[in-house]
Amino acid sequence: DAGITQSPRYKITETGRQVTLMCHQTWSHSYMFWYRQDLGHGLRLIYYSAAADITDKGEVPDGYVVSRSKTENFPLTLESATRSQTSVYFCASGPGWYEQYFGPGTRLTVT
Amino acid sequence: GDSVTQMEGPVTLSEEAFLTINCTYTATGYPSLFWYVQYPGEGLQLLLKATKADDKGSNKGFEATYRKETTSFHLEKGSVQVSDSAVYFCALSNYGGSQGNLIFGKGTKLSVKP
Repeated sequence: DAGITQSPRYKITETGRQVTLMCHQTWSHSYMFWYRQDLGHGLRLIYYSAAADITDKGEVPDGYVVSRSKTENFPLTLESATRSQTSVYFCASGPGWYEQYFGPGTRLTVT
Repeated sequence: GDSVTQMEGPVTLSEEAFLTINCTYTATGYPSLFWYVQYPGEGLQLLLKATKADDKGSNKGFEATYRKETTSFHLEKGSVQVSDSAVYFCALSNYGGSQGNLIFGKGTKLSVKP
């Protein structure tokens, strides 16, 4: 099916562990994005990518790492998870930064 | 920098009531404006958009008009349904600005009672 998928949908991890959130899109969109959604802050951009092998920081990149070796995948890694990274993470893709299509989200809890 | 301000929620309406959710923006250049909707437990979906002044975006009975003179993009619907209960986000994207991403408002939660 065409679209954008995220996995896992729910994840519980411990402080200090490394965790990777996956994002896959089938539209061949050039742009991909990672956001976190927190009460009181709305959506905040973590990282984005304009094309394979091109990534750039967003508003809140600290503690996160991204890569994009293939156009369709854009994994987000928390190298050493902290409680402050408990959030809902949304991946999005689009033909440009001007129009984005969101995945269903990953709810991450760091204990 | 660029920003979006939308009315605080929650907004509670009865079915068939008229809906307005206010959104104003600050931006240099000529931004594109969007409304996204997030249903419970789901990701954001693009509801409608407008790319230049006086454009009207519309979808599923919702409308919003890009008003450059008042820097506004208010969302309206003439008769809401229970199924419209969701969180609505106003957003802008500014090709001429320094930030190459969508700028979101904080969202307005709408609850529609039968």
